[in-house]
Amino acid sequence: DAGVIQSPRHEVTEMGQEVTLRCKPISGHDYLFWYRQTMMRGLELLIYFNNNVPIDDSGMPEDRFSAKMPNASFSTLKIQPSEPRDSAVYFCASTLAGVSDTQYFGPGTRLTVL
Amino acid sequence: GDSVTQMEGPVTLSEEAFLTINCTYTATGYPSLFWYVQYPGEGLQLLLKATKADDKGSNKGFEATYRKETTSFHLEKGSVQVSDSAVYFCALSPPGFQKLVFGTGTRLLVSP
Repeated sequence: DAGVIQSPRHEVTEMGQEVTLRCKPISGHDYLFWYRQTMMRGLELLIYFNNNVPIDDSGMPEDRFSAKMPNASFSTLKIQPSEPRDSAVYFCASTLAGVSDTQYFGPGTRLTVL
Repeated sequence: GDSVTQMEGPVTLSEEAFLTINCTYTATGYPSLFWYVQYPGEGLQLLLKATKADDKGSNKGFEATYRKETTSFHLEKGSVQVSDSAVYFCALSPPGFQKLVFGTGTRLLVSP
């Protein structure tokens, strides 16, 4: 299996622009998680899905952030409008049976908002 | 709320030295405990886990024991290698909740 795939790997944009991050989970996995990693706040869970349905979005920082999972093999995290404080590495992870089982992380998308 | 506290880094060791990275947690009930490792430019990988008190997780020479009485899950390795240089994250999964709570990470630097 190719593992969790994220795109793009790097994104540089200007403040106010819309940013869309993409994730393809491991085939057959029914949980998908979006995390954000910064030096100041460490690794934070933003939102997770089970069978394409959002279960907990309490970590989404504000309304500028939205996430969707239209099918079992694709998810997006959108920031509109982007701000410099959104600069971070965004990780997607998937797992088969929930958190007590291994989460498999993608390589991350490094976002820089100028 | 639930939280994980790790020792500050970086931890700098010579090759073949003994490694300990401390991790303590605060949680209600009996969470599952994990150590993840992040190599430069990569995502996190599960290193080991323990799901109940007194369980010992082990992998690639690393070990950690779930200590309920001290709410700890310290990571140890008897002889580190240069290739072990990475950031190590302790994490917990609260019982009944589908999320991981991570510590801040500890960077390990091993020199030849």
